[in-house]
Amino acid sequence: NAGVTQTPKFRVLKTGQSMTLLCAQDMNHEYMYWYRQDPGMGLRLIHYSVGEGTTAKGEVPDGYNVSRLKKQNFLLGLESAAPSQTSVYFCASSSGSSNQPQHFGDGTRLSIL
Amino acid sequence: AQSVTQLGSHVSVSEGALVLLRCNYSSSVPPYLFWYVQYPNQGLQLLLKYTSAATLVKGINGFEAEFKKSETSFHLTKPSAHMRDAAEYFCAVSEAKGNNRLAFGKGNQVVVIP
Repeated sequence: NAGVTQTPKFRVLKTGQSMTLLCAQDMNHEYMYWYRQDPGMGLRLIHYSVGEGTTAKGEVPDGYNVSRLKKQNFLLGLESAAPSQTSVYFCASSSGSSNQPQHFGDGTRLSIL
Repeated sequence: AQSVTQLGSHVSVSEGALVLLRCNYSSSVPPYLFWYVQYPNQGLQLLLKYTSAATLVKGINGFEAEFKKSETSFHLTKPSAHMRDAAEYFCAVSEAKGNNRLAFGKGNQVVVIP
């Protein structure tokens, strides 16, 4: 009963380093999303995908790239990490119908020094 | 574009007292509305949703919310707070016939006082 799985759970990077966050879902969902959560800001959408091979920009896309090569996976990349990208990152998936909820992973805590 | 307002970042409630979290939304088309709960170091979990059926929606853990179109509100209530209700609560809105993008409020951190 995995649902949405995010790896890694924690990571510390130095400024300028790159890394990729992996999200995997086993619910055969079409739509997948990446959010960041910062204190007092709620969740803000970074990028999303409406199907395999597609990606689109969300509210705060700068400094991030994404790829959806397989339906079950959605990757979030940071090419050159900056301290402002210190945050908790959440992946979510949904069937794509607006009346259906999004299902969330447990998050990745990322610190950029 | 849709948006959500949640007032009061921190809400303190005594154990056994009423929990009331306010959510007002803005949407140019009929909305779908959701309440999520986030326990420490976890992801968001769906509490309940409004999808244009009954205006009073019952969710998990004894929570319920009422959709009021005239007030553009979807307030969350629970008659009697329990210690396990200490968590952060988010209201979110999506547009019917939209692309399932959610707009989240900034959240309410609920503290339950014994």
